[in-house]
Amino acid sequence: SQQGEEDPQALSIQEGENATMNCSYKTSINNLQWYRQNSGRGLVHLILIRSNEREKHSGRLRVTLDTSKKSSSLLITASRAADTASYFCAPTGFQKLVFGTGTRLLVSP
Amino acid sequence: GAVVSQHPSRVICKSGTSVKIECRSLDFQATTMFWYRQFPKQSLMLMATSNEGSKATYEQGVEKDKFLINHASLTLSTLTVTSAHPEDSSFYICSARDQTTWDDRGNYGYTFGSGTRLTVV
Repeated sequence: SQQGEEDPQALSIQEGENATMNCSYKTSINNLQWYRQNSGRGLVHLILIRSNEREKHSGRLRVTLDTSKKSSSLLITASRAADTASYFCAPTGFQKLVFGTGTRLLVSP
Repeated sequence: GAVVSQHPSRVICKSGTSVKIECRSLDFQATTMFWYRQFPKQSLMLMATSNEGSKATYEQGVEKDKFLINHASLTLSTLTVTSAHPEDSSFYICSARDQTTWDDRGNYGYTFGSGTRLTVV
């Protein structure tokens, strides 16, 4: 299975602070993707990092990937209340997408 | 990016009846779609992979006779929950490979529908 495991399970911060969540996986991957899910909604694709990349930025998002440690991190800078959601990582080969339990982020005003 | 439209967003049905959920890819062809279910505060569980023009591939433990999947066209996949019971109440989500994000190394993202909240009473 290529399921990723996110850590922490829950994270509570204030607006303006940075939020960091981590992902660990066990198998070889082609890329790793991060998704966000607002309560009661589908998932939204945030960012994809290839296995030969170490860091990638997209707006306030910064993703790192360490294939030697089979781990990734997602950093959200200057968080906003609208960032409140669950975040999932998906280590991906050429197969189906499976998810771990996610990190529930709560950003308070 | 690509859009996947899922309907209905909410449905309440009586125990013993069947419910059909539709998932359409807009402006792109989705030869493969995926169906998930999610219980409150839990992760998404992959139920099956829907392939256009062929039988769906079900994950271990998912009853194929209960969760009927049809992928009759390149833009439409349906999930029918047959003889629904209260324990089938859940959040069902479909997704498709977003080929608009496909790069030259075969990397691509996935686009998800907005989900269907099924309540069986």
